[in-house]
Amino acid sequence: QVQLVESGGGVVQPGTSLRLSCAASGFTFSSYAFHWVRQAPGKGLEWVAVISFDGSNRYCADSVKGRCTISRDNSKDTLYLQMSSLRPDDTAVYYCARDVGRGGGDVLTGFIYWGQGTLVTVST
Amino acid sequence: SSELTQDPAVSVALGQTVRITCQGDSLRVYYASWYQQKPGQAPVLVIYDKNNRPSGIPDRFSGSSSGSTASLTITGAQAEDEADYYCNSRDSSGNLWVFGGGTKLTVL
Repeated sequence: QVQLVESGGGVVQPGTSLRLSCAASGFTFSSYAFHWVRQAPGKGLEWVAVISFDGSNRYCADSVKGRCTISRDNSKDTLYLQMSSLRPDDTAVYYCARDVGRGGGDVLTGFIYWGQGTLVTVST
Repeated sequence: SSELTQDPAVSVALGQTVRITCQGDSLRVYYASWYQQKPGQAPVLVIYDKNNRPSGIPDRFSGSSSGSTASLTITGAQAEDEADYYCNSRDSSGNLWVFGGGTKLTVL
């Protein structure tokens, strides 16, 4: 069955960097776009970043632009999110989610599978 | 980027029909997708594209769109439908995605 397992969260100090990973299984990883979505404690969902099936299109939300890098390794079926210059308001559960589509020019989209999330706490 | 606006809270009597709406300029171009989230759980996709339901989603969930407003309708709401619901779509650039603020659905 489809599985997405995030890792890499934890408590980090402001100004530092963090790399989250999302290991996928149960489907052809290289055929789909992926997203990172975060949720601050008690708050709503916030879209963070997208990468197309082949990695040729990748974008980060304006709120993290310049501090966010999304990448993927199709040989390892793994998605990554690198966040730098972390701030307390980056504290959230970070989810990876697989799209129904390929991303880029593919208009079909919907976040059909989600991981369980990994908590990132930015604090001194 | 653009924004998607949802009512913070909606209530419905058990077995009745409820519509949850989402407004945004990008919805004139792109379809919305809808997510159900219960406390302590990851979101679940309930509607995507024009009106597609993933496998396992009951057919009491349906989606529609008109102009800049997308709607999620639950026909015959059940107690287990009580949850937060979020809409999502691409923004006007087509390169970014955005979530609405969420609607807390209470089933009375």
